Amino acid sequence: DAGVIQSPRHEVTEMGQEVTLRCKPISGHDYLFWYRQTMMRGLELLIYFNNNVPIDDSGMPEDRFSAKMPNASFSTLKIQPSEPRDSAVYFCASSLARLAGGRGFFGPGTRLTVL
Amino acid sequence: EDKVVQSPLSLVVHEGDTVTLNCSYEVTNFRSLLWYKQEKKAPTFLFMLTSSGIEKKSGRLSSILDKKELFSILNITATQTGDSAVYLCAAYNTDKLIFGTGTRLQVFP
Repeated sequence: DAGVIQSPRHEVTEMGQEVTLRCKPISGHDYLFWYRQTMMRGLELLIYFNNNVPIDDSGMPEDRFSAKMPNASFSTLKIQPSEPRDSAVYFCASSLARLAGGRGFFGPGTRLTVL
Repeated sequence: EDKVVQSPLSLVVHEGDTVTLNCSYEVTNFRSLLWYKQEKKAPTFLFMLTSSGIEKKSGRLSSILDKKELFSILNITATQTGDSAVYLCAAYNTDKLIFGTGTRLQVFP
């Protein structure tokens, strides 16, 4: 298995532009998580899905952020409009709920820089 | 509010030293405690602990969970420069992982 796949790996954009981050979870995993990591705040959970349904989006910072999971093999995190304070590494992770402990497998992350 | 607190925030040691990293948690519907190592990329899984008092060991790393006192420790013996990383602990409830802010370990030759 290729593991969790994220694209792009790096994104540099200007303030005000729309940014779309993509994630392909491990096949068969029924949970998908989006995290954001910054030096100041560490690793924060933004939103997670179970069987493609958003379960908890309380970590989404504001309305500029949205996430979708149209099918079991694809999810997007969109920021519109982007701001410099959104600069961070965004990780996607997936897990199989039946596994005890819900061990999460992380993708390589997308490093976003908003100028 | 669920929270996971790690200490110390950072640690600087010399090769060969032994270090202990701490993680305390207050999480509803707690199921397990996980440790990750993060170098300049995604977190990689180290241990998952579900039962109190049972040590998990992998080479020079070991970890134990105390569900009564709500904490876990990660020990690294005979540290090497390759152990330099951020170590994250996370508490798993029925649905999600709640992460601490991490301990940054730097091991110098």
